[in-house]
Amino acid sequence: AQSVSQHNHHVILSEAASLELGCNYSYGGTVNLFWYVQYPGQHLQLLLKYFSGDPLVKGIKGFEAEFIKSKFSFNLRKPSVQWSDTAEYFCAVNARGGSYIPTFGRGTSLIVHP
Amino acid sequence: GAGVSQSPSNKVTEKGKDVELRCDPISGHTALYWYRQSLGQGLEFLIYFQGNSAPDKSGLPSDRFSAERTGGSVSTLTIQRTQQEDSAVYLCASSLGRTVLQPQHFGDGTRLSIL
Repeated sequence: AQSVSQHNHHVILSEAASLELGCNYSYGGTVNLFWYVQYPGQHLQLLLKYFSGDPLVKGIKGFEAEFIKSKFSFNLRKPSVQWSDTAEYFCAVNARGGSYIPTFGRGTSLIVHP
Repeated sequence: GAGVSQSPSNKVTEKGKDVELRCDPISGHTALYWYRQSLGQGLEFLIYFQGNSAPDKSGLPSDRFSAERTGGSVSTLTIQRTQQEDSAVYLCASSLGRTVLQPQHFGDGTRLSIL
C-alpha cells in the first residue's frame, strides 16, 4: 500500500520569500503524483500533477514541483510567495495499476505574512 | 458550471443520533469518493463508487458507516449511532472516469459536530 508523508505541518513566511514543501511517498512501482490546495473557506482544488515525462511540473499561480524518483519525493516550490498563497497544501499519490484511490498526506498549513 | 455540491454544509447533532450527508457530483462524472478530514489530519479515504461497479468500502471505519449512490449520481453517506470521534469534515469528490489520469473535483464538505 502506498503512503504519503508531508514533513512540514506548519510553515510561516513573509511575502517574497521562497517556498519549498516536502512530500515523500512510499511505493515501489510507478506512481501518479498530485498537489492540491485548499484556500481559506474554499474547497480543495488541483494545483499540479505528474503522470509521466518531464519530472519538473509547472502548475497554476507560479507553483512547480519536481519528481525525484530516486528520493521518492515530489516537493512543491514557488520562488516568491504572496499573501494570497496562504492555504493548506496536500500532496497525494496514486499507484499505477493499483487502486484508483489517491492517498493523501496530512497537509501543510502555509501562512504568508504581508 | 456547477461543481460538486454537498449538503448540509454544517451539521450539529447529539451523540447516538443518525446523520445523513449528501453529495451531488459533477454531471457526467462516474467516479465518486468520500473522505473524512479530522483536525490536523490528512484526508482519510472512506468509500469509492465507480459507475455500476460494486463500491470499494475498504476505508469505512466501522459498520456504523454506510453509503449508497443512486442512479450513478447522488450519493448519501450515513452514520448511525454517532460518536464524538465522528466529528470531522466529510468531503466528497468526483472525477470523470475510472482512469487515474482524471483529477478529483472536491465539494466544500460537511462539517459534522457531535455533541
